Amino acid sequence: QQQVKQSPQSLIVQKGGISIINCAYENTAFDYFPWYQQFPGKGPALLIAIRPDVSEKKEGRFTISFNKSAKQFSLHIMDSQPGDSATYFCAASNPGYSTLTFGKGTMLLVSP
Amino acid sequence: EAGVAQSPRYKIIEKRQSVAFWCNPISGHATLYWYQQILGQGPKLLIQFQNNGVVDDSQLPKDRFSAERLKGVDSTLKIQPAKLEDSAVYLCASSLGYRGFTEAFFGQGTRLTVV
Repeated sequence: QQQVKQSPQSLIVQKGGISIINCAYENTAFDYFPWYQQFPGKGPALLIAIRPDVSEKKEGRFTISFNKSAKQFSLHIMDSQPGDSATYFCAASNPGYSTLTFGKGTMLLVSP
Repeated sequence: EAGVAQSPRYKIIEKRQSVAFWCNPISGHATLYWYQQILGQGPKLLIQFQNNGVVDDSQLPKDRFSAERLKGVDSTLKIQPAKLEDSAVYLCASSLGYRGFTEAFFGQGTRLTVV
């Protein structure tokens, strides 16, 4: 069964701190790894994504680190802000298909 | 650009009743998805359409769930009869294509409560 395991389940970070969320996958055929951000009452929205041929991708305060040999990838949020408080989902997709397998999510709270 | 539209936003029904959800994808998006998001979990794919054809419905409980996408645009998802465990947010998403990864844009979802 295809799975994406995400941790931690919840995270509290002080304003200005670094938030780190980790994911691990089993299916080596996955070839695209996006992170989604979801606010209460809203649908998930794509935040940043990476392909396995690179080890890191940075967009503003958000960075994905990817370790292909360990089958792990992580999201780092630098200088975390209260507005970043949301649920974050990692996901993975198979080659040739755009369907997503999601992790269970991490509820991030950035305290002022 | 208008986003993915879903209705209704909320629905409360009794078990064994039927319910239907509607989705209007982003204009020009050929691929449409229905995901089920149970409280505290990530979204799980129920069905994927490419235009009006089904690409993947392997996780759709076909004894009670059905979905259609007439004319390759709007889509409806139906549950009949509903069970308590169907309580969830039903998310519709759309993307330009389905070969390789193309960004999926999600609607706000329909929150279903089965009592």
